[in-house]
Amino acid sequence: EAGVAQSPRYKIIEKRQSVAFWCNPISGHATLYWYQQILGQGPKLLIQFQNNGVVDDSQLPKDRFSAERLKGVDSTLKIQPAKLEDSAVYLCASSRSGANVLTFGAGSRLTVL
Amino acid sequence: DQQVKQNSPSLSVQEGRISILNCDYTNSMFDYFLWYKKYPAEGPTFLISISSIKDKNEDGRFTVFLNKSAKHLSLHIVPSQPGDSAVYFCAAVNYGGSQGNLIFGKGTKLSVKP
Repeated sequence: EAGVAQSPRYKIIEKRQSVAFWCNPISGHATLYWYQQILGQGPKLLIQFQNNGVVDDSQLPKDRFSAERLKGVDSTLKIQPAKLEDSAVYLCASSRSGANVLTFGAGSRLTVL
Repeated sequence: DQQVKQNSPSLSVQEGRISILNCDYTNSMFDYFLWYKKYPAEGPTFLISISSIKDKNEDGRFTVFLNKSAKHLSLHIVPSQPGDSAVYFCAAVNYGGSQGNLIFGKGTKLSVKP
């Protein structure tokens, strides 16, 4: 079974610029998650999708972050404009509906200068 | 306010000995707990889990113990191997409420020395 695919793996931008991350979950996994992991911290949930609907986006900074999951498969997370504190690894994860174990991708490391 | 706490940022153990990683939580509504392992430049990978109705779950060299009254869980690795060197994250979830939102601790970096 192919894993969760993410791109790009690394991105360096200047503050106030925009960036987008892409995620392709495991085939058949209805639930998709975006987590933010700041250096020295554990992953923190940004948004959770069930198919193409949002289940939980309570911790997503909606003034600058947006995410979509068109057609219930791939997902894109966008940051515009980026701030220095957005420097982090953005992890995508997926699971079968109702499953209690998430499978994570390798992450996209963002550095904002 | 951290709901899941891993108070030891790092742990060093000799190969062949036992590694014990600890985790405390504050939310009594958590009903499922997981341990993830993370190597550098990779995403976290699932290791072992335990439901709140159990107090122990074992999988090969890995055993997780849950003490609900103390709101404490621990991961035991016996015997420890150099390949176990990684960051270990404890995570908790309230499936009755938050539909799968894992709350993670800050992680403990385990170093197993040959």
